Amino acid sequence: DIQLTQSPSSLSASVGDRVTITCRASQGMSNYLAWYQQKPGKVPNLLIYAASTLQSGVPSRFSGSGSGTDFTLTISNLQPEDVATYYCQKYNSAPLFGQGTRLEIK
Amino acid sequence: EGQLLESGGGLVQPGGSLRLSCAASRFTFSRYAMSWVRQAPGKGLEWVSSISGSGDNTYYADSVKGRFTISRDSSKKTLYLQMNSLRAEDTAVYYCTKDIFGGVFVRWGQGTLVTVSS
Repeated sequence: DIQLTQSPSSLSASVGDRVTITCRASQGMSNYLAWYQQKPGKVPNLLIYAASTLQSGVPSRFSGSGSGTDFTLTISNLQPEDVATYYCQKYNSAPLFGQGTRLEIK
Repeated sequence: EGQLLESGGGLVQPGGSLRLSCAASRFTFSRYAMSWVRQAPGKGLEWVSSISGSGDNTYYADSVKGRFTISRDSSKKTLYLQMNSLRAEDTAVYYCTKDIFGGVFVRWGQGTLVTVSS
């Protein structure tokens, strides 16, 4: 079974920073990778699917890249409202989430 | 994108049963696969089960296989999760989701809390 490992598990960055979160799969999985944002006390929200396709309504400062085993979520120009836990997720068979990355503002 | 409203959560003793419901609105229910995803208190997200738009195909996480049953009623636009032989580790908020592209969770309900405790 494919395993997903996110890094870092938590990070702190300043408003305006560029932030990168990595999701590594234990074996190749094409581009069947999605990213979700879960703000504190809220429901998860889809940000990106197919590794790099931005979901409608999601700000363009969010972007995704990668294929195979290594995937990246990038937030450019970090905003205070981006404080959240971010999850990667593989799909197309037996959906599986990464363990999450908690993002805080310095 | 539609709306999803879960119900049926609550406190149940270990070994007990519970049925969750998810009422869908504002989208063509029968066209979409649907899933249940759970989140234990303070923990990450865990996929539980999925069902095809027709209801003909169902899928389960190993952790719930043989204990949980997913189903849907298109006439009522409602998704269900029958949970039997509940364990303490099933304690979580259970989210209903609308799916696209074979497992992308594009819309989430507000969730319903299931607590398994004596």
